[in-house]
Amino acid sequence: EPEVTQTPSHQVTQMGQEVILRCVPISNHLYFYWYRQILGQKVEFLVSFYNNEISEKSEIFDDQFSVERPDGSNFTLKIRSTKLEDSAMYFCASSPRRRRHTEAFFGQGTRLTVV
Amino acid sequence: TQLLEQSPQFLSIQEGENLTVYCNSSSVFSSLQWYRQEPGEGPVLLVTVVTGGEVKKLKRLTFQFGDARKDSSLHITAAQPGDTGLYLCAGMTQGGSEKLVFGKGTKLTVNP
Repeated sequence: EPEVTQTPSHQVTQMGQEVILRCVPISNHLYFYWYRQILGQKVEFLVSFYNNEISEKSEIFDDQFSVERPDGSNFTLKIRSTKLEDSAMYFCASSPRRRRHTEAFFGQGTRLTVV
Repeated sequence: TQLLEQSPQFLSIQEGENLTVYCNSSSVFSSLQWYRQEPGEGPVLLVTVVTGGEVKKLKRLTFQFGDARKDSSLHITAAQPGDTGLYLCAGMTQGGSEKLVFGKGTKLTVNP
């Protein structure tokens, strides 16, 4: 069964360093998302991406964050200068097509720890 | 700001019992999805409900979307230890937004 895959599964980085989280969405999907979940809290929306551009972003997704789809398969989230409060599980998700009720399929997540 | 409140937050029952968990909001959602999440893993989609009053069944799980599309429930019949996990509801907001708004989840433990 097709699935969203994320790498690495766990990333430890020093405060102020740049990190890139990688995702391979399901191959025929058109919409891509990043969500995050701070330990013990809700899953929160960060950004959605369609047709090679950001379609929506949350207040969390400030100038330190960027997304890219560098080729036909990968979807990346870059955090330019990490802060302690960026420590969280980051989930990539994809949806098959742009319609109002489309389901989102999530990857296993990357646990980011900023020290 | 759309909020989804899930209740109860924690539920511990014996194998064979029935249970219902709830997902409530003051906002209307265009659709609502139920996920199950294991510790350290991503949410796994169980079902999507779209139409007010819609009922969907997935084996021993029954999902219902409220008539006004503001609330939903998940009923499990004859719970088994394998049902143990965190159940999340997530609503897709109206007005063209593509984001999902998640509840905090109900942590279910089914004891053998």
